[in-house]
Amino acid sequence: QTVVTQEPSFSVSPGGTVTLTCGLSSDSVSTGYYPSWYQQTPGQAPRTLIYSTNTRSSGVPDRFSGSILGNKAALTITGAQADDESNYYCALYMGSGISVFGGGTKLTVL
Amino acid sequence: QLQLQESGPGLVKPSETLSLTCTVSGGSINIISYYWGWIRQPPGKGLEWIGSISYSGSTYYNPSLKGRVTISVDTSKSLFSLKLSSVTAADTALYYCVRHSVGRGFDYWGQGTLVTVSS
Repeated sequence: QTVVTQEPSFSVSPGGTVTLTCGLSSDSVSTGYYPSWYQQTPGQAPRTLIYSTNTRSSGVPDRFSGSILGNKAALTITGAQADDESNYYCALYMGSGISVFGGGTKLTVL
Repeated sequence: QLQLQESGPGLVKPSETLSLTCTVSGGSINIISYYWGWIRQPPGKGLEWIGSISYSGSTYYNPSLKGRVTISVDTSKSLFSLKLSSVTAADTALYYCVRHSVGRGFDYWGQGTLVTVSS
């Protein structure tokens, strides 16, 4: 069974930079998995931040960026703000119409 | 602006079938290379992709739920539907309908509807 891994939690200081990662239990993540990233605050539906590894969704600030770092997909927040405190989920396309989400990372800004 | 809206019962009895509908407005459901799907989120937990359907009716399901899930589309009414059979308390979740594509991820989300499985 495919498992997509994310750090359960992370903290960053206001103005700081943080990189969240998205890995696979049995393979390296590449652009061919079309990694995407979603931000979810409590009580709200997820919001798309990044798709196809590094393309920002419309209206997403450029302090959010996506990349492949080593064998994982990565979401970097540069100049973190208080309202970036959220849960972040990655999703990978596994082929044959199947997508898998990671377990999510709870980001604290303090 | 494309909008998706879930509807359906908020309470389902164990062993029965959960049925939800997603109505698409502000855009066409007949778009090649886009899929219409369902994602759920148990209270306090993460997101789980349930399955998706193309406008032409090709379906794709999460292997862990296969056998219990059926997704259908009615392009004339601009809606698609989810049926999940033999539900248990573990199926209690917030259910989201979404639009997605391979290259653009899950780009439109409904607001979500809470379904509780309880007798």
